[in-house]
Amino acid sequence: EPEVTQTPSHQVTQMGQEVILRCVPISNHLYFYWYRQILGQKVEFLVSFYNNEISEKSEIFDDQFSVERPDGSNFTLKIRSTKLEDSAMYFCASSESPRAPKYFGAGTRLSVL
Amino acid sequence: AQSVTQPDIHITVSEGASLELRCNYSYGATPYLFWYVQSPGQGLQLLLKYFSGDTLVQGIKGFEAEFKRSQSSFNLRKPSVHWSDAAEYFCAVGVMVDGGSQGNLIFGKGTKLSVKP
Repeated sequence: EPEVTQTPSHQVTQMGQEVILRCVPISNHLYFYWYRQILGQKVEFLVSFYNNEISEKSEIFDDQFSVERPDGSNFTLKIRSTKLEDSAMYFCASSESPRAPKYFGAGTRLSVL
Repeated sequence: AQSVTQPDIHITVSEGASLELRCNYSYGATPYLFWYVQSPGQGLQLLLKYFSGDTLVQGIKGFEAEFKRSQSSFNLRKPSVHWSDAAEYFCAVGVMVDGGSQGNLIFGKGTKLSVKP
């Protein structure tokens, strides 16, 4: 069964450093998403991406965040200057259409020290 | 504002017993509703979805959920729980707004299910 893959599974970084979280969505999917889950809290929407541009973003997705689809398979989330409060599990998801179910990766646990 | 409430943080059931996990949503239009399951160290796996039509939907692993518009609920059920069902379960509503929203999901806080032998 096709799946969304995310790398790395765990990323440790120092506050102020840049991190790039990587995702390979399901190959025939056109809509891509990032969500995050701070420990003990809800899974929260960050951003959706379609046709090589951001289609929606939440209040969390400020100027420190950016997304990119650098080639035909990868979808990345960059945090320019990490803060302690960015520590969370970050999930990538993809879907065939906005109404179609979203398939999630296993997540990247980001720890900012 | 749209929201999803899962009132039970943690539920423990005996193996073989029936299960019902509660989910209530607040959304102005007809919702798209989902249940996801997350096992330790794993991603979010889709169990089932409701878009329209029959209000009782069947999912994977023997789960089902019933959409009740009058109660704004979408409770997840399973007639006989297996030890491998121990995981965290998330209810989510898909937000569709006129004008091209991409349908992001709003999640509940999750219910952790423990299964005792």
